[in-house]
Amino acid sequence: DAKTTQPNSMESNEEEPVHLPCNHSTISGTDYIHWYRQLPSQGPEYVIHGLTSNVNNRMASLAIAEDRKSSTLILHRATLRDAAVYYCILRDGNSGNTPLVFGKGTRLSVIA
Amino acid sequence: EAQVTQNPRYLITVTGKKLTVTCSQNMNHEYMSWYRQDPGLGLRQIYYSMNVEVTDKGDVPEGYKVSRKEKRNFPLILESPSPNQTSLYFCASSPRDSLRANSPLHFGNGTRLTVT
Repeated sequence: DAKTTQPNSMESNEEEPVHLPCNHSTISGTDYIHWYRQLPSQGPEYVIHGLTSNVNNRMASLAIAEDRKSSTLILHRATLRDAAVYYCILRDGNSGNTPLVFGKGTRLSVIA
Repeated sequence: EAQVTQNPRYLITVTGKKLTVTCSQNMNHEYMSWYRQDPGLGLRQIYYSMNVEVTDKGDVPEGYKVSRKEKRNFPLILESPSPNQTSLYFCASSPRDSLRANSPLHFGNGTRLTVT
């Protein structure tokens, strides 16, 4: 099974960059890596995704290791509104009909 | 507004009383899925559907049923709820299989179910 490993929690000071790691050593060759976050009392929210190259959008950046066995979500300047649980998600297997697997997530605390 | 709508948001029921949690999306998405979220366990997939009349088991399907008779709706059915099904449930949809085809998942706001 393709699984992810993330630290349980991380802390950051407001206005500083945050690097959230994810290990996914059994990822299959054609699967994308997605990151979602969940704010308190809300459903998960899409953040970013990528395949092989680093990706940037207005919310964050995604750095993917050359061997694709790990990735890092980068928040360039953490704000209090970024305090959430961040999930690294990837496909379980490489055939057409297999479940999506969420990691347990990293709880990010942002200190003012 | 493009959205995934779950109902009800909160539900308290008793053991054995059949219930249905509805999920509807207005984005013409092919892929829909149900998750449950429990403290310390993160999000776990219950069932998913790649398209109309196509459903498959996720990681924790026991005690649940689903149906996909039309593209927009994907109800979650608990035929005989038990206390261990007390949880926070999320429905999600995507234009196609999310990871293969580069499509983000859109989640509903959740249904908090308590079975006594």
